[in-house]
Amino acid sequence: RKEVEQDPGPFNVPEGATVAFNCTYSNSASQSFFWYRQDCRKEPKLLMSVYSSGNEDGRFTAQLNRASQYISLLIRDSKLSDSATYLCVVNKRGGGADGLTFGKGTHLIIQP
Amino acid sequence: EAQVTQNPRYLITVTGKKLTVTCSQNMNHEYMSWYRQDPGLGLRQIYYSMNVEVTDKGDVPEGYKVSRKEKRNFPLILESPSPNQTSLYFCVSGYEQYFGPGTRLTVT
Repeated sequence: RKEVEQDPGPFNVPEGATVAFNCTYSNSASQSFFWYRQDCRKEPKLLMSVYSSGNEDGRFTAQLNRASQYISLLIRDSKLSDSATYLCVVNKRGGGADGLTFGKGTHLIIQP
Repeated sequence: EAQVTQNPRYLITVTGKKLTVTCSQNMNHEYMSWYRQDPGLGLRQIYYSMNVEVTDKGDVPEGYKVSRKEKRNFPLILESPSPNQTSLYFCVSGYEQYFGPGTRLTVT
């Protein structure tokens, strides 16, 4: 099983729709989880951290399922500007930024 | 303004010609690291540094060197670049992982 696995997509979604994607991770000792957004030819930027209790930031909701070892990202009322690649990030060794592993990303295209 | 800067942003060079990619941050972060990003392989960590004079290998350190003589700077050194080091390189600062703008390197 790959350390961090994501469906590469692309996900083609009409504007205004709700879209969700998951990420699975292999290390059950992982403690920290994040979603990053990367626009074409740009640097990744932190979108949100993922907490055990789940968290919401505007139209974005992140959930963590430790039992099944997956993380999800839900985007409601999608906008054209949400088109990007979304990277799932998990820490490898149970703590500390030195152990972060990035998924290869899920490509999202919002269509007008 | 919080910033991570990298130079150069674009570089085309030849095999074997030593090069250095500089990275500087103004956030007083102790932690810094370097990643490379390749199609189909995603982001992979090259080296990281927990503080001044403290560096350690990431997942793909072969062919690279780093130094951390002062907190704000973390240069990446390619002593003898090879074509398989053609990639997009990101310097990252802080545990919150602020990324620099990237350096696109081509080695011919």
